[in-house]
Amino acid sequence: DQQVKQNSPSLSVQEGRISILNCDYTNSMFDYFLWYKKYPAEGPTFLISISSIKDKNEDGRFTVFLNKSAKHLSLHIVPSQPGDSAVYFCAASEGTGTASKLTFGTGTRLQVTL
Amino acid sequence: AAGVIQSPRHLIKEKRETATLKCYPIPRHDTVYWYQQGPGQDPQFLISFYEKMQSDKGSIPDRFSAQQFSDYHSELNMSSLELGDSALYFCASSFLGTGGNTIYFGEGSWLTVV
Repeated sequence: DQQVKQNSPSLSVQEGRISILNCDYTNSMFDYFLWYKKYPAEGPTFLISISSIKDKNEDGRFTVFLNKSAKHLSLHIVPSQPGDSAVYFCAASEGTGTASKLTFGTGTRLQVTL
Repeated sequence: AAGVIQSPRHLIKEKRETATLKCYPIPRHDTVYWYQQGPGQDPQFLISFYEKMQSDKGSIPDRFSAQQFSDYHSELNMSSLELGDSALYFCASSFLGTGGNTIYFGEGSWLTVV
């Protein structure tokens, strides 16, 4: 049972445009959400997170939006750069402030073209 | 800034052998997590430790065991290795004092069972 879903396995975006990566979850107990970027054979690199008490968090070119009622979150990257090409994982956890494990989505491979 | 350190980075073992992976969390981090990522899969949570005590357990086989030591480093012991244990093993750490649960990952240890 995949509690965190990324329905788009891949996405191709032109350099300079906006990349939008989507993530849906089913567990209503999740209250902390994170996005990670991963290159092959490397560890996931933390990008940005959002707590369930917020609906938006912005950090430079990265913005995460959370729609709790729809159990949906999205990562916006603008402007997209070729170096953003990687696999992006959405992850969720229960219990902010506790040693809660992350549940990962299946990932979306982003390709930023010139 | 110091990151999560994992060793060895690559390991080749034969079936039925034993392997030990080591993880050194980010300084001052009090929680360590182990994840397993098989080929083409999303990272799966294995086990976690908070202040040297096991805090959560995921899909960790009985053949595997782990512990966190007084210096907060952790070791994942895998015995009676099977071909299906071949995967990328990530260690991650976090500090609950930040109020969130941002988890930072190491570069991973590649285990190949032949």
